[in-house]
Amino acid sequence: DAGVTQSPTHLIKTRGQQVTLRCSPKSGHDTVSWYQQALGQGPQFIFQYYEEEERQRGNFPDRFSGHQFPNYSSELNVNALLLGDSALYLCASSWEGRSSTDTQYFGPGTRLTVL
Amino acid sequence: ILNVEQSPQSLHVQEGDSTNFTCSFPSSNFYALHWYRWETAKSPEALFVMTLNGDEKKKGRISATLNTKEGYSYLYIKGSQPEDSATYLCAFRGSTLGRLYFGRGTQLTVWP
Repeated sequence: DAGVTQSPTHLIKTRGQQVTLRCSPKSGHDTVSWYQQALGQGPQFIFQYYEEEERQRGNFPDRFSGHQFPNYSSELNVNALLLGDSALYLCASSWEGRSSTDTQYFGPGTRLTVL
Repeated sequence: ILNVEQSPQSLHVQEGDSTNFTCSFPSSNFYALHWYRWETAKSPEALFVMTLNGDEKKKGRISATLNTKEGYSYLYIKGSQPEDSATYLCAFRGSTLGRLYFGRGTQLTVWP
């Protein structure tokens, strides 16, 4: 089992550009969540996808959008990049069996730098 | 605004020392409390998911306790080793929906 994988590992973009980050969940998992970790902060929840629908969203602008595919993999898109979008973006997968002991398993993250 | 606080922010100990950290979270609408261990350049590793008041979990030399009524959890490491050096994150979950609210973490450095 490869665990949660993310691509690319690192990315450098300029202000105003658009970026797409990718995540493959752990085998058997059907739910993907995305988090942003800015320097010195804990991970902040962006949104969660389940059954190809955005099920829950954090306090992020509409420039942040996502998608989940039938194989449960997911993409995070960020439009009109700002310097403040520079961060580590983490993907987490889980099996949404609605149990309180469900664990979210994280990938290694994508480091985005906006110049 | 839902706040999850962790203390201390960083900790430096000698090999063999025992140590503990604190995670504070809202005492209302509690669903679960997660602990993660995060080594540099790796994925955060799930340590514990705690759901019941008074719950205690143990994994090797690491253990955790939970008090949902007062809103805190302690993580203990007995006989710290250099390989325990990592950032330890706690995350609060307030509902069946999966959103986690993370603290900023406690960065532990264990010197040989």
